[in-house]
Amino acid sequence: DTAVSQTPKYLVTQMGNDKSIKCEQNLGHDTMYWYKQDSKKFLKIMFSYNNKELIINETVPNRFSPKSPDKAHLNLHINSLELGDSAVYFCASRGWVNTEAFFGQGTRLTVV
Amino acid sequence: EDQVTQSPEALRLQEGESSSLNCSYTVSGLRGLFWYRQDPGKGPEFLFTLYSAGEEKEKERLKATLTKKESFLHITAPKPEDSATYLCAVPANSGGSNYKLTFGKGTLLTVNP
Repeated sequence: DTAVSQTPKYLVTQMGNDKSIKCEQNLGHDTMYWYKQDSKKFLKIMFSYNNKELIINETVPNRFSPKSPDKAHLNLHINSLELGDSAVYFCASRGWVNTEAFFGQGTRLTVV
Repeated sequence: EDQVTQSPEALRLQEGESSSLNCSYTVSGLRGLFWYRQDPGKGPEFLFTLYSAGEEKEKERLKATLTKKESFLHITAPKPEDSATYLCAVPANSGGSNYKLTFGKGTLLTVNP
């Protein structure tokens, strides 16, 4: 039973399109994250939600809009996709601040 | 600014050749240091949490240690299946009571048979 699952695993799309990535966790965690991993494998936080409320927004372009319908789900919608958006996007969830985060398997987004 | 720095960026070992990876951090009020393993095409997989200086954790050929400024991941007699990127992370305050898990850039470990 997957703890953090995200869909799709691969996403290839053209510049200018709008796309969404979905994430669900069954761990009962209050906090969920979106991370972006670039070609050099650096994991950089984008957003964090705690119990459906946005608590961290790391100067991400407005084209990226997270949405949390409930505390088990955190989706990422991206408008007007650009070539530089190509990366692997990871969803993660966490319980308390001093406990580990669990990651999904990632969504490889390729913008052509 | 809170930072996490890992070294070396890449490490090649022969099977059985022990070594260590380093993670240094500058965070006020450490709330845990986390080690993860990431295989190609997969998400980071949790390995260890360390909370206080002097603490050690072990799992198979891996042992993580923590001082007040850095953590080491010691790999004893590695095998090819230990090849992966190893990431360390710390919770860094992002304002008020909010913390973000900040990662280092990782060490790519390759173990040759």
